[in-house]
Amino acid sequence: SAVISQKPSRDICQRGTSLTIQCQVDSQVTMMFWYRQQPGQSLTLIATANQGSEATYESGFVIDKFPISRPNLTFSTLTVSNMSPEDSSIYLCSVVTGKAFFGQGTRLTVV
Amino acid sequence: RKEVEQDPGPFNVPEGATVAFNCTYSNSASQSFFWYRQDCRKEPKLLMSVYSSGNEDGRFTAQLNRASQYISLLIRDSKLSDSATYLCVVNEDSSYKLIFGSGTRLLVRP
Repeated sequence: SAVISQKPSRDICQRGTSLTIQCQVDSQVTMMFWYRQQPGQSLTLIATANQGSEATYESGFVIDKFPISRPNLTFSTLTVSNMSPEDSSIYLCSVVTGKAFFGQGTRLTVV
Repeated sequence: RKEVEQDPGPFNVPEGATVAFNCTYSNSASQSFFWYRQDCRKEPKLLMSVYSSGNEDGRFTAQLNRASQYISLLIRDSKLSDSATYLCVVNEDSSYKLIFGSGTRLLVRP
């Protein structure tokens, strides 16, 4: 199993600013995944964060908007840059160790 | 066409009822299948994996039909605590990348 600590749990941000979300895992994992869950929707994969290499982004998501860091095997950050109200969503990190485990999520509201 | 499609719900059932959720997936090469449960304002948590032979965990039974690319979840003797959104999840390859359905909301009433 894996325990993921994600923070902040929620934030309200002004448009045009950036927010960095952190995830700390209690064990070493090769890949960490970042998802977005918009209101009333399911989870959409943003990118896969690999330690020691650039993150792999899914269609519709770009590094300039969602830069990711993965400095070691237990930690990753996702930054939501130059935010607009359309970025209001829940952001979740995840790891797979036999099954998928998720952080508690960050509820972001952009005003 | 969405990669993973589910009944939209919501399903509103009385306690003790049996309810079934369906899910279809588009990629015939998909390898692993799961049902996750997500409570309101919480992260998803694995309910059960789905195997070709079908599997049961207490009141929950999952079925997979690879020929029809169809997955189901059956909940017997529904409890109030079963109220949640149920997500059908597919792993298309060995990369651990998961594809989520849009979820089916279940409301169990007294």
